[in-house]
Amino acid sequence: NAGVTQTPKFQVLKTGQSMTLQCAQDMNHEYMSWYRQDPGMGLRLIHYSVGAGITDQGEVPNGYNVSRSTTEDFPLRLLSAAPSQTSVYFCASSSLSGQPSGANVLTFGAGSRLTVL
Amino acid sequence: GQQLNQSPQSMFIQEGEDVSMNCTSSSIFNTWLWYKQEPGEGPVLLIALYKAGELTSNGRLTAQFGITRKDSFLNISASIPSDVGIYFCAGNSGYALNFGKGTSLLVTP
Repeated sequence: NAGVTQTPKFQVLKTGQSMTLQCAQDMNHEYMSWYRQDPGMGLRLIHYSVGAGITDQGEVPNGYNVSRSTTEDFPLRLLSAAPSQTSVYFCASSSLSGQPSGANVLTFGAGSRLTVL
Repeated sequence: GQQLNQSPQSMFIQEGEDVSMNCTSSSIFNTWLWYKQEPGEGPVLLIALYKAGELTSNGRLTAQFGITRKDSFLNISASIPSDVGIYFCAGNSGYALNFGKGTSLLVTP
């Protein structure tokens, strides 16, 4: 099925370790983004990209890096994991064609649950 | 990010009841959207609103884009058990989609 695929679904890290959360979409969407979801906090935007080679920061970018070398992939890197980064991470994508203003109709992946000890 | 105030935080209702939830912001948004999230899954779009004053329905769901562009509401009529989940409002400003903190809905048969 077409959609947004995130891997891994679950990950446990020790403080200071690095890892990459993978995100791939097969809908040829220009826009891709990463959110984190914490209890009672809703979804907060980490980074987003409007096309290959273009990335920008969201509301909570500190401690995370992204790159967009292809239209399909948008990996999220944690260079030195901290317990405060324990969360559920969602990747989402959207077509920008025909959108009245920016990216709206996001298609979300199933999420990656990260625990940092 | 821009603050969206979503209320109520949670609702516990009986099957068949109508539900209303709303979202307000101090900022103007170009688009308002409502998403539903079920346990273990990502949010799924329910309704998108593109014009101030717009009223849109999707089955038993109705949502409106406030005239001031700073608020939106979602109504669910005749609730059923499968309406259980977390409902999020979201407002678009440029390329950032800002989400409210969610309304958790529980429906008892």
